[in-house]
Amino acid sequence: QKEVEQNSGPLSVPEGAIASLNCTYSDRVSQSFFWYRQYSGKSPELIMSIYSNGDKEDGRFTAQLNKASQYVSLLIRDSQPSDSATYLCAVYKFSQGGSEKLVFGKGTKLTVNP
Amino acid sequence: DTEVTQTPKHLVMGMTNKKSLKCEQHMGHRAMYWYKQKAKKPPELMFVYSYEKLSINESVPSRFSPECPNSSLLNLHLHALQPEDSALYLCASSHGWTGNNEQYFGPGTRLTVT
Repeated sequence: QKEVEQNSGPLSVPEGAIASLNCTYSDRVSQSFFWYRQYSGKSPELIMSIYSNGDKEDGRFTAQLNKASQYVSLLIRDSQPSDSATYLCAVYKFSQGGSEKLVFGKGTKLTVNP
Repeated sequence: DTEVTQTPKHLVMGMTNKKSLKCEQHMGHRAMYWYKQKAKKPPELMFVYSYEKLSINESVPSRFSPECPNSSLLNLHLHALQPEDSALYLCASSHGWTGNNEQYFGPGTRLTVT
């Protein structure tokens, strides 16, 4: 099982719709989860972090975490063409020696059609 | 302000060259990171510095040599690279080096090895 798995997409939604991005992770002891947005040719930009079960809302973005199911998702409401990007799910994972590192999923490419 | 700066933006170097990538942050963050990102792949961790000390080396070849002169600066020295080392090199920083710390990325240096 891959450490962090995302649907590679591409995911295409019409403007104004809700885009739903999903991510599962393998390490049960992971406690910190992040969503990054990456435009083509640019660096990742942090858009959401979530640490507790439940929902966390920030503007049009809602992150959802279910640690029992090892599942984290990102909802984008009222999707805009400017939301078209690759969305990376990232999870802190404990490695040998007790150190932690951020592990990324392969990303989901989202296209919002006008 | 969550700004991490990187220079140069683009770099072309031959396999016998020696060059350096630079990263700077003025957010008071005590952890800094180097990532490598190939096209259509997620970022992969290379090195972690915490309080100016190397904390993680992800078995990176010795032709990549990191340096942290002070808490605001991070360098990556390059020597005798191979064409397969061509990638986007990303610097990131976070307040601390534990799993609940958000990482902020710089714009990256796009490296081409000829």
